[in-house]
Amino acid sequence: ILNVEQSPQSLHVQEGDSTNFTCSFPSSNFYALHWYRWETAKSPEALFVMTLNGDEKKKGRISATLNTKEGYSYLYIKGSQPEDSATYLCAFVKAAGNKLTFGGGTRVLVKP
Amino acid sequence: DGGITQSPKYLFRKEGQNVTLSCEQNLNHDAMYWYRQDPGQGLRLIYYSQIVNDFQKGDIAEGYSVSREKKESFPLTVTSAQKNPTAFYLCASSLGLAADTQYFGPGTRLTVL
Repeated sequence: ILNVEQSPQSLHVQEGDSTNFTCSFPSSNFYALHWYRWETAKSPEALFVMTLNGDEKKKGRISATLNTKEGYSYLYIKGSQPEDSATYLCAFVKAAGNKLTFGGGTRVLVKP
Repeated sequence: DGGITQSPKYLFRKEGQNVTLSCEQNLNHDAMYWYRQDPGQGLRLIYYSQIVNDFQKGDIAEGYSVSREKKESFPLTVTSAQKNPTAFYLCASSLGLAADTQYFGPGTRLTVL
């Protein structure tokens, strides 16, 4: 079973502050990395799918970077708002694979 | 409205009974997936199917069974052989390739009494 880890498990952020957290994955046999946002009482929603080393993706105030050689991805939230409160999941796809292996998630709580 | 539906939202069963969770999609996606979530853990893959009449075991398939007779439907049966069936179950679908975004249903919370 592949080891995909997210840290921290949870974090509290003051409204307006920026924050970031990490997804670590195997650095060999990389194919793709997914990021999802899962709000309470809703279904997980896709944020990004990243495939190339050095990829940077942005969606509004949320952005992500990818380093496949060292096996990590950062997710950044700029100017956090209460609606950013959610669990953020990353999922690793290995080369020649066809399934996602999820990390445990980072739970973000933005306090007004 | 295109999407994935799961029913029911909450399900209670007595120990020793088999139970089937429904998952339907109208996105015309080829691939469908079943995940399980336990408190404090990420999503773990139970079964997946990339095409009708074909499916593969995921990381935690023991005690579960699936069928894929129609493109739109991928029901999951939790059998009495599953030792810890109480969990939150999520169904997802995608176009089919591993880099394709997965779209998730609302989930079913199963409690075995």
